[in-house]
Amino acid sequence: EPEVTQTPSHQVTQMGQEVILRCVPISNHLYFYWYRQILGQKVEFLVSFYNNEISEKSEIFDDQFSVERPDGSNFTLKIRSTKLEDSAMYFCASTLGQGAGEQFFGPGTRLTVL
Amino acid sequence: AQSVTQLDSQVPVFEEAPVELRCNYSSSVSVYLFWYVQYPNQGLQLLLKYLSGSTLVKGINGFEAEFNKSQTSFHLRKPSVHISDTAEYFCAVIRRGYQKVTFGTGTKLQVIP
Repeated sequence: EPEVTQTPSHQVTQMGQEVILRCVPISNHLYFYWYRQILGQKVEFLVSFYNNEISEKSEIFDDQFSVERPDGSNFTLKIRSTKLEDSAMYFCASTLGQGAGEQFFGPGTRLTVL
Repeated sequence: AQSVTQLDSQVPVFEEAPVELRCNYSSSVSVYLFWYVQYPNQGLQLLLKYLSGSTLVKGINGFEAEFNKSQTSFHLRKPSVHISDTAEYFCAVIRRGYQKVTFGTGTKLQVIP
C-alpha cells in the first residue's frame, strides 16, 4: 500500500539554524500539506501546496517558513532560522483531490530546537 | 472559520466495554468530518469520514460515528474495545471546497485490561 514517508524521523538543531524537513508524498497525489503538533497540543495546519504554489497557509506559516517541490517526488519544508518554539512534530500529508479527499499522513519528523 | 471541540481529553475504559468519544464542531458552511487515530510515536491514520449520505458511517477496526447536524456532533463509538485501541483520537473537519484540516485537541483512549 502506498504511503507518505518523511525524513529524518528526528532532527535536533541549534536555535537560529536552518532546517529542511523532507517528505515523499504518494506518487499520484497532487495536493501536499504540512502540519505541526507541539507536544501536548493539537495538530495545526501550516500550508497546502498545489501546482507548484502555495494554495493556502495559516498565520503560523510566516516568512521563516517556505515549502518547495524540488523534483517530482520530494516535498520539503524549510525553516530559515529556528526558534525554540518551533520544536514540534511536523507531519506531511498528501491527497489526490481537494476538499473531500482523504489526506494521507506521514509518520512525522520530530524537530527539537535547543 | 470552523472549529472542533473534543471535551474529553482522556477516556479510560475497561477492555471489552463500549466507548464513545465525543466531538462537536462549529461552522457557518458545510463541512466534511473525519476521525483520525494516532498510535504512540506514529502518524495519523484515518478511521472514518463523513462526506454526505447516510449519517452513520463505519470505519476501520470496528469503529463507527454518527453525524448529527442539529447537534453539530460527530461522536465516535465502538461497542467493545480492545487493548490495541489504546491511542489518541482526533476529530477533524474540512470546509467544503477548501483544503485546511482543522483538528480537535484529541482524546486519549486508555483501555484497561
